[in-house]
Amino acid sequence: ETGVTQSPTHLIKTRGQQVTLRCSSQSGHNTVSWYQQALGQGPQFIFQYYREEENGRGNFPPRFSGLQFPNYSSELNVNALELDDSALYLCASSLDGGKSPLHFGNGTRLTVT
Amino acid sequence: GQNIDQPTEMTATEGAIVQINCTYQTSGFNGLFWYQQHAGEAPTFLSYNVLDGLEEKGRFSSFLSRSKGYSYLLLKELQMKDSASYLCAVRDRRTGNTPLVFGKGTRLSVIA
Repeated sequence: ETGVTQSPTHLIKTRGQQVTLRCSSQSGHNTVSWYQQALGQGPQFIFQYYREEENGRGNFPPRFSGLQFPNYSSELNVNALELDDSALYLCASSLDGGKSPLHFGNGTRLTVT
Repeated sequence: GQNIDQPTEMTATEGAIVQINCTYQTSGFNGLFWYQQHAGEAPTFLSYNVLDGLEEKGRFSSFLSRSKGYSYLLLKELQMKDSASYLCAVRDRRTGNTPLVFGKGTRLSVIA
């Protein structure tokens, strides 16, 4: 069984730039959630995709957007990067619209300078 | 919205027992999860409680009281490798998409 994989593992961007983070869900999982984890904090929910449709969103501005593909992999896009966007971005996959436990990837560490 | 509180840091001795508490406030409770997260790694699922009572899984147990909005994670026979952050997360029934809301985590240090 293949787990959740994310790429890249680390990324450094400049304020104002755009970034795309990628996630491959665990085999058989149709739901992908994205979380932002600042240093010393718990993960904060960004949004969730179920069968290619966004079906939930946390308190993040529209410059955070995403996609889910037919193979259930997903992308997180962030436009107009701000210094406060520096964080660990975690992707998690699950079954049945998120009713089962989440399985997390190792995350992408984004640094905005 | 939800509010989840857990202690920021705890220290315990190898071989001992430690209890990590979590209190929560939510409009429509639909399950509580505990995750373990080692530094620089992904959170990994430990336990799930949706009904009151104790769930035991090896050295780890988790307890839930819905009426009190309270849960704890009990770690027995502590090992050095248990040094990690422990995240309490609640699922809210109100939201059909059931995202998890996480607490800030409790950083546990196991010392010799």
